[in-house]
Amino acid sequence: SQTIHQWPATLVQPVGSPLSLECTVEGTSNPNLYWYRQAAGRGLQLLFYSVGIGQISSEVPQNLSASRPQDRQFILSSKKLLLSDSGFYLCARGDRSGNTIYFGEGSWLTVV
Amino acid sequence: TQLLEQSPQFLSIQEGENLTVYCNSSSVFSSLQWYRQEPGEGPVLLVTVVTGGEVKKLKRLTFQFGDARKDSSLHITAAQPGDTGLYLCAGDHQGAQKLVFGQGTRLTINP
Repeated sequence: SQTIHQWPATLVQPVGSPLSLECTVEGTSNPNLYWYRQAAGRGLQLLFYSVGIGQISSEVPQNLSASRPQDRQFILSSKKLLLSDSGFYLCARGDRSGNTIYFGEGSWLTVV
Repeated sequence: TQLLEQSPQFLSIQEGENLTVYCNSSSVFSSLQWYRQEPGEGPVLLVTVVTGGEVKKLKRLTFQFGDARKDSSLHITAAQPGDTGLYLCAGDHQGAQKLVFGQGTRLTINP
């Protein structure tokens, strides 16, 4: 199974509030995990990826952070949200080669 | 920065017509993937191509990887309204363990 669970599915948060999006995956152990953001039905921007517990690579400087406390858990956080953080956030898992990834259902974040 | 440029960005055609979507880059990729995304859902993998010149068919969809592994195309024959969606190409570089995505082609098939 390549099942990926993301929650919450929809979130409306005020500017300056904290954020926590959670993702858990099923299937083989030690997967690569990714957080992407997509603006208004356009291409995907890679935010963070992780090749193992506690190992996080950041792709874009911003006020977001990611953590991987367990092998199959990936969390996206922010201490203070900005209006520009609004978007569709996608968690994904990949095989060790990284050339094929599978996406979760996505989480809509609206910052007001 | 390894960029993937997709064209056209928007395409609206009538049911039954044929179409081709392109994905181009100046970089060489180890493999290239095509995804389709419905509104409010995550992208779904359609195909992965790994060999230069490779052609893969998925019913009415034909995918081709360029000989130099820098570009790819998606051809749809006799388009159906169910083909409507956002088509994304993505490529990876050997050892990078991450994909680079194009900006997508928004396809609308009108009945």
